[in-house]
Amino acid sequence: GEDVEQSLFLSVREGDSSVINCTYTDSSSTYLYWYKQEPGAGLQLLTYIFSNMDMKQDQRLTVLLNKKDKHLSLRIADTQTGDSAIYFCAGGGQNFVFGPGTRLSVLP
Amino acid sequence: DADVTQTPRNRITKTGKRIMLECSQTKGHDRMYWYRQDPGLGLRLIYYSFDVKDINKGEISDGYSVSRQAQAKFSLSLESAIPNQTALYFCATSDFNGLAGKETQYFGPGTRLLVL
Repeated sequence: GEDVEQSLFLSVREGDSSVINCTYTDSSSTYLYWYKQEPGAGLQLLTYIFSNMDMKQDQRLTVLLNKKDKHLSLRIADTQTGDSAIYFCAGGGQNFVFGPGTRLSVLP
Repeated sequence: DADVTQTPRNRITKTGKRIMLECSQTKGHDRMYWYRQDPGLGLRLIYYSFDVKDINKGEISDGYSVSRQAQAKFSLSLESAIPNQTALYFCATSDFNGLAGKETQYFGPGTRLLVL
């Protein structure tokens, strides 16, 4: 089945850019997603990219997709303390599969 | 009002007890899911249902059962709770679009379960 991997932790300073990486195995995923989980809350869809695209920009968020390497990344520009959360990448193929989540800590 | 609600939000129970976690949605979605979240393991799928008459086991269904009482309701039961079922449980719905191949999942706020 699908396997989705992410590093578990990332720390950045406020104002810097954050880059969260994800690798996946199922190349049949039509869309790839980034979800954000704030403390004590459920997951919320942050952004997504269609598998035929290699980049999508949405305000401070940039998603890069390298289909050949099955690598997905989320860049957050000008990271703020409110961006501190766990970020999950997910792919939808036969089943919807989430990665383990990357905990982003933003230091003042 | 929240689109996906879960009750209870927190529960403490003892080993061997039967408990039920409930999920309701107002989004009108056919697809519903139950996940558990454990630190460092992300989300793991327990059961999912693509409509009222369709129930499927996920990655870690042992020790759990589900009931899809209506399109809007999907409950998860632990028949005989054990301590390693201590986790955060999430219900989700999705707006799967087969033609577009796109699916967005909408999550409830979670139920924190502690099994002593």
